[in-house]
Amino acid sequence: DGGITQSPKYLFRKEGQNVTLSCEQNLNHDAMYWYRQDPGQGLRLIYYSQIVNDFQKGDIAEGYSVSREKKESFPLTVTSAQKNPTAFYLCASSLLQDEKLFFGSGTQLSVL
Amino acid sequence: GESVGLHLPTLSVQEGDNSIINCAYSNSASDYFIWYKQESGKGPQFIIDIRSNMDKRQGQRVTVLLNKTVKHLSLQIAATQPGDSAVYFCAENTDNQGGKLIFGQGTELSVKP
Repeated sequence: DGGITQSPKYLFRKEGQNVTLSCEQNLNHDAMYWYRQDPGQGLRLIYYSQIVNDFQKGDIAEGYSVSREKKESFPLTVTSAQKNPTAFYLCASSLLQDEKLFFGSGTQLSVL
Repeated sequence: GESVGLHLPTLSVQEGDNSIINCAYSNSASDYFIWYKQESGKGPQFIIDIRSNMDKRQGQRVTVLLNKTVKHLSLQIAATQPGDSAVYFCAENTDNQGGKLIFGQGTELSVKP
C-alpha cells in the first residue's frame, strides 16, 4: 500500500536532548511537510521541502531542523533549543504545486 | 493576521441527523479550501475540497459550500453516523504555491446513538 509512515508512534525526550522523528513516503511525492499540533488547536507548519536537498522554514521553525537527502524521507529533529516540544507531530506529502496534503499517522512527543 | 477560524468548537448531533460544520476565512485572495477529518491519535484524512470558482461541491454523504461574499465555508454531512465522530478541520491555501495550507482550530463532532 502506498502511504506515509511516521515513527515512532510515541517518543519521550529528556531535557537537553535532541530527538529525531522519522517520515517516509512511497507515494512518489516531491513535496513533504512537517506540522505541529497542540491540543485543541489547528496544525502549524514547521518546515517544508519541495525538492531533494532543499527545504524552507515554516511559521514555527525555531528549535527544529530537517534534512531531505532522499525524495522518500524527511526526518525532523527536535533540538534542545525547542523549550516546549510536547505536541503531536504530523508529516505530510503532496505532488508538487498540489494543495492537497496526505498525512501520516503522527508521532506524539512528550518530555520526561 | 489572516487566519481560518471555526464558529463552533464542539457539535453534538443525533445519529441519522444532518451535521453542518462552519468555517470563516479572512483572506479574500484564498483560492482553494479543503476539509479534513481527524480521529483521536491519528493523522488528518482528506474529505473534500473546493476551488474559489465554485460555490458547491458534493461527495459521498458530504457537501462543501463556499460563500465568497461573506468568506464562509461549510461542511455538511448527511445522515451522520457514529463513525463520523472526529475533529474536522478546514484549511485554505493562500500563497498559490501548493500544499502550504493554513488550518483552522477544528470542530469536534460527537454523534449520539
